[in-house]
Amino acid sequence: ETGVTQSPTHLIKTRGQQVTLRCSSQSGHNTVSWYQQALGQGPQFIFQYYREEENGRGNFPPRFSGLQFPNYSSELNVNALELDDSALYLCASSPTRNNEKLFFGSGTQLSVL
Amino acid sequence: GNSVTQMEGPVTLSEEAFLTINCTYTATGYPSLFWYVQYPGEGLQLLLKATKADDKGSNKGFEATYRKETTSFHLEKGSVQVSDSAVYFCALRGVSGNTPLVFGKGTRLSVIA
Repeated sequence: ETGVTQSPTHLIKTRGQQVTLRCSSQSGHNTVSWYQQALGQGPQFIFQYYREEENGRGNFPPRFSGLQFPNYSSELNVNALELDDSALYLCASSPTRNNEKLFFGSGTQLSVL
Repeated sequence: GNSVTQMEGPVTLSEEAFLTINCTYTATGYPSLFWYVQYPGEGLQLLLKATKADDKGSNKGFEATYRKETTSFHLEKGSVQVSDSAVYFCALRGVSGNTPLVFGKGTRLSVIA
C-alpha cells in the first residue's frame, strides 16, 4: 500500500475554467512530484516540490502551478483549462529529494469539455 | 535530452507464455533504469530497477538487465499469468541527483487463459 491519496478521482471541467487537484503524501515523505499522463502515453513530469519549495519543473506553461504545505500535502492548480489538459494527473511522493524511491497515487482523471 | 523508447503494444499472450517487452534509452552517463506497472484503475507501482551497468533487477518473476553497450533494459518473464495483465512502463532517471523520471509510452499486456 503506497499511502499516497489523491482527490478527486474524477473531474469534469469546461474549457477556460480553473481546477485544483489535491494529494496527500505518504507519511514521512518531504518530496512530491506531479505527472500528467495523457491517454495512451507515459507520464510527463510537471514539477516537484521539496519542503514547500518548487525545485524542478518540466516543459509545462505557467498556468500549471502548485503548492506544498507544511504537512507535505500538495496541490496542483491549472488555470485557463484547454481541451488538451484532459489526462490522468498523478502525484508521487518520496522520502528523499533525489526520488530514489517514488510512490504514486491512483491519480485524478480530468476531462475538459 | 533523456528519452525512453519501448515497444508498442498491445501485446497479447496465452497464460504460461514467455514475455519480452523491449526498452531502449538515450541518456548521458549511467542513468538509473526502472520498470513500472499500472493495473487498471490504479497508479504506477515500481516493479524493478537497476542502477548500474550489468545489474539485473528482478521481482515477481520479472527480470531486466541493464545493458550499457546496447542502451537497453528489456523486461522478461518466463511464464505469464492472467494477473500480469497491465500496462508496463520503462523509465529512467538521469545521473543528476534531482532529476525526475522520464517514461516510455507504455506497453499494454493482455494475458488470456
